[in-house]
Amino acid sequence: SQQGEEDPQALSIQEGENATMNCSYKTSINNLQWYRQNSGRGLVHLILIRSNEREKHSGRLRVTLDTSKKSSSLLITASRAADTASYFCATATDAAGANSKLTFGKGITLSVRP
Amino acid sequence: GAGVSQTPSNKVTEKGKYVELRCDPISGHTALYWYRQSLGQGPEFLIYFQGTGAADDSGLPNDRFFAVRPEGSVSTLKIQRTERGDSAVYLCASSLIRGETQYFGPGTRLLVL
Repeated sequence: SQQGEEDPQALSIQEGENATMNCSYKTSINNLQWYRQNSGRGLVHLILIRSNEREKHSGRLRVTLDTSKKSSSLLITASRAADTASYFCATATDAAGANSKLTFGKGITLSVRP
Repeated sequence: GAGVSQTPSNKVTEKGKYVELRCDPISGHTALYWYRQSLGQGPEFLIYFQGTGAADDSGLPNDRFFAVRPEGSVSTLKIQRTERGDSAVYLCASSLIRGETQYFGPGTRLLVL
């Protein structure tokens, strides 16, 4: 089952614009991670935000987490053609410290036009 | 090695055959995960190892699927009597310890004819 739901499902923007992608989830989490995937192969880890954090930055990436709304957003500033990829949010639930398997959404397809 | 490696990159087999998929995690990572990704979907969890033991195998779809990690490093995912519905990309990930960032390998694309 997939807990995370990203929106929009697809996003097309012009190079230089900002891209905002949203993720909602259903159950309590330990952390939330964003990944990028090119051409349906390996996932590249972008950023991890823990349940007690509200915002994190990494280069051109900004992630926010609102646990009261069970939602997160990923902002990519000054987008580049190379940012074209699928983006996934993944949540790690940690029931009594037992596990940290990730539950992924279906992903967002981002196209950045040169 | 620098990252998680998986072999083979691609595997084509016939329905009913047995396949083994290998994952070599980042050196020193104690946690290892297997996921399966179908076209147009996000990865779905299969099984998680902490050291040599399978800590959670709740994602394995049925008893045709089995995975081992005998020495706490390399892991092998084994699929018996393959079916066409098993066709997918099988992804392996590892993390230094449970609960930390998971680093993914390039995946094995399995096609069952």
